[in-house]
Amino acid sequence: DAKTTQPPSMDCAEGRAANLPCNHSTISGNEYVYWYRQIHSQGPQYIIHGLKNNETNEMASLIITEDRKSSTLILPHATLRDTAVYYCIVRVYGSGNTGKLIFGQGTTLQVKP
Amino acid sequence: GAVVSQHPSWVICKSGTSVKIECRSLDFQATTMFWYRQFPKQSLMLMATSNEGSKATYEQGVEKDKFLINHASLTLSTLTVTSAHPEDSSFYICSASSALGRTFGNTIYFGEGSWLTVV
Repeated sequence: DAKTTQPPSMDCAEGRAANLPCNHSTISGNEYVYWYRQIHSQGPQYIIHGLKNNETNEMASLIITEDRKSSTLILPHATLRDTAVYYCIVRVYGSGNTGKLIFGQGTTLQVKP
Repeated sequence: GAVVSQHPSWVICKSGTSVKIECRSLDFQATTMFWYRQFPKQSLMLMATSNEGSKATYEQGVEKDKFLINHASLTLSTLTVTSAHPEDSSFYICSASSALGRTFGNTIYFGEGSWLTVV
């Protein structure tokens, strides 16, 4: 089962920052948080991932709380092309495996003009 | 980012036949590849994890004999749907882990997906 919970949907005005929350209260010490997005009928697109420090790249910023029980993905200036389903995933490592991404239901972000 | 390519992008096959989907990492070596399927308006469901040169590990409830996975090289994994039936019609997606030797915190990239329709 997915170890994250996300709101099912959110709206954001074009040009404004989109802040997508994610709860992962059962995360373990070596488990990373990954964010992907999926536009209809395409494979998921990698956005960003992190362990405990905040991360930033050309697409987004990832803010992880100090206790690591939640995080927020920030798209600084949302455009209509950012409309997609956003998945927050905790990568789970079992014995002898290389870590799996188990998808939850994600958040459908609708960017409006 | 790294590129993962799937082929074919879409395929239609007759019920009872087998169909093969390829997943290639184009610019990196992938020790591990993952196969998912996704039904309309649902999330991705992990089917199996394949490591180069060894047998795939299937998730609970996924039939090993129906969904054959081969990971013969560091750049290619294949999924064969055997004796396909209409209920196997779905969007199949692969992903690949990007680094040799180091797995904690490395990036996993996804292919563009393959639509399978069984008629």
